[in-house]
Amino acid sequence: QKEVEQDPGPLSVPEGAIVSLNCTYSNSAFQYFMWYRQYSRKGPELLMYTYSSGNKEDGRFTAQVDKSSKYISLFIRDSQPSDSATYLCAMSTSNTGNQFYFGTGTSLTVIP
Amino acid sequence: EPEVTQTPSHQVTQMGQEVILRCVPISNHLYFYWYRQILGQKVEFLVSFYNNEISEKSEIFDDQFSVERPDGSNFTLKIRSTKLEDSAMYFCASSNDGNQPQHFGDGTRLSIL
Repeated sequence: QKEVEQDPGPLSVPEGAIVSLNCTYSNSAFQYFMWYRQYSRKGPELLMYTYSSGNKEDGRFTAQVDKSSKYISLFIRDSQPSDSATYLCAMSTSNTGNQFYFGTGTSLTVIP
Repeated sequence: EPEVTQTPSHQVTQMGQEVILRCVPISNHLYFYWYRQILGQKVEFLVSFYNNEISEKSEIFDDQFSVERPDGSNFTLKIRSTKLEDSAMYFCASSNDGNQPQHFGDGTRLSIL
């Protein structure tokens, strides 16, 4: 079973808030975890890429992976209206040639 | 920054016809993928392609579908005898052979009438 679960939202927050987005999964073979941002009528745009457990920070974005709980998170600090988009988690068992398994995406709106 | 480009952005086709969706992956990438996203549903994997052959495919990717890399830059998805349920966004993606994830194009919206 390689199912990825993600709360579809929608999520609405005021500008400047901290946003927490989460995914759970059932397949312990997943090793690579990605977060993509998708604007309307656009393709998924890579935000974060992590391997195995731990944290990774890039500017206002922090990705966390807890393999023991099969749980990943994306935190957005100081959220901006331009962050309004759908956020997709994705994961795979290998970094080369294997398919990604996506969550349904969480729709986020940041209100000015 | 290099990007994956897809054409056309929107394709309207009569049921039963064949369609070819085109993609130009990032030039130094070696792995190529097709995904689809039916409206309101998850992005679903169709097929991956490496070294001029399919490396993995999902159960969605049946005999109706085929992929080809006709030259050094293009990567195509052919759908034969299209059905109403083939209506979706089709995304092409590519990755290199290092520890890098897949980069996606903006998709082709396929509408079957």
